[in-house]
This record gives sequence, structure tokens and C-alpha cells, in this order.
Amino acid sequence: AQKVTQAQTEISVVEKEDVTLDCVYETRDTTYYLFWYKQPPSGELVFLIRRNSFDEQNEISGRYSWNFQKSTSSFNFTITASQVVDSAVYFCALSGGQWKAAGNKLTFGGGTRVLVKP
Amino acid sequence: DTAVSQTPKYLVTQMGNDKSIKCEQNLGHDTMYWYKQDSKKFLKIMFSYNNKELIINETVPNRFSPKSPDKAHLNLHINSLELGDSAVYFCASSPARLNTEAFFGQGTRLTVV
Repeated sequence: AQKVTQAQTEISVVEKEDVTLDCVYETRDTTYYLFWYKQPPSGELVFLIRRNSFDEQNEISGRYSWNFQKSTSSFNFTITASQVVDSAVYFCALSGGQWKAAGNKLTFGGGTRVLVKP
Repeated sequence: DTAVSQTPKYLVTQMGNDKSIKCEQNLGHDTMYWYKQDSKKFLKIMFSYNNKELIINETVPNRFSPKSPDKAHLNLHINSLELGDSAVYFCASSPARLNTEAFFGQGTRLTVV
């Protein structure tokens, strides 16, 4: 079975501070994909990044960066110089497995609420 | 144009009623999903359809019945609504078999009173 754990339920920072969100996953699949989604207060789910299990390179996109470490089954997300607009719930998710059984379904972590104060 | 659209956005109804939520995607994707987000923000898949074929049915009560008239539409019908059905329901779509990201609709907040 697949499982995603986001141990931090809520993080509060002051604007311009960096914030790192932890994500630990469990899967028996040798090929799998990891995702981060953002859910702002308006409620929609916004895709941020996808990473496959064979690509352990870190990635940076503007103020966002991701650290994938297969050895520790972690896919952590850092927001550098946080802004008030970064306030949201962030979800880590995992997909993989046989098509007929899993069908690309996403297994989500419980989410981490980030509150950025001015 | 909205890529994945759900209607209605809000739905308030009494226990015992039957209601439907509609979902349409204009991305040309083959696979569509329904996810449920509970009051604690936990997201869990309910159903997945690929080209109108049911792929995933995740131990959802049979009061919930998805219907896919074509690959661009996936509706969710709920019979005999219960208080515990109150949640936000998200429709999503993705290309088939590629493990690409899913694109989500804006969600339907269902409140059963």
C-alpha cells in the first residue's frame, strides 16, 4: 500500500523567512511519481511539481525548491523568502503501480498549512 | 476557458435527498477522477474512469454512483444523503497511463443538514 506522511500540520512564519515542508512516502513500486499541490484559501488545488522516482535531481523554480532523496523516501519542499500570498495548505502526493489497479490515482499526505504573516 | 469545471460550487441539502454533481473537462484527457476532501482537509480518491470505463472504486458506499457519458464528463450522483457526506468533492482529469499531474476542478462544497 502507498502512504504519504506530512508530519507538520501547520507552520507559521514571518514574511521573508524561508519555510521547509517535509514529505515522507512509502511505496513498494519501483517506479512512482511524487507531486506537490497548493490549496490557497480560495479552495482550488494548484499543481506545483511532478518528480519521477528515477530523477533525484533537486529542482528550483523561482522561490520554490524541491529536495528528493530516495534513500530516505523524502520529497521536501522549500519556499524561500516567503510572502503572504504563499499562505495555503500544501499537499504532497504519490502515484504509481499497475495501471489497472492504481489508474494514476494520487495518494495524498494530510497537508501542511502554511501561514505567512506580514 | 476553464479546464476542469464542476457544478454546482456549493450544494446545501437535507438528509435523505438525492443530488448530483457534474464535471466536464476540455483538456482532451482520457482519465477522470472524483476525490473527497473531508473537514480535516484530508483528500482521498473515490473513483477513476478511463474512456468511460471504471478503473478505481475505493470502498465508497454504493449510495455514490459515478456516471461517465463520454470521456469529457464524469458526474457523481449521491442517493440518500447522510450528514457524513458533507465534504468538498473534487473532480480531476489527467492523460491516461502517463502518471502526469492531475488537473483539478474548483471543488463542490456539499453540506448535508
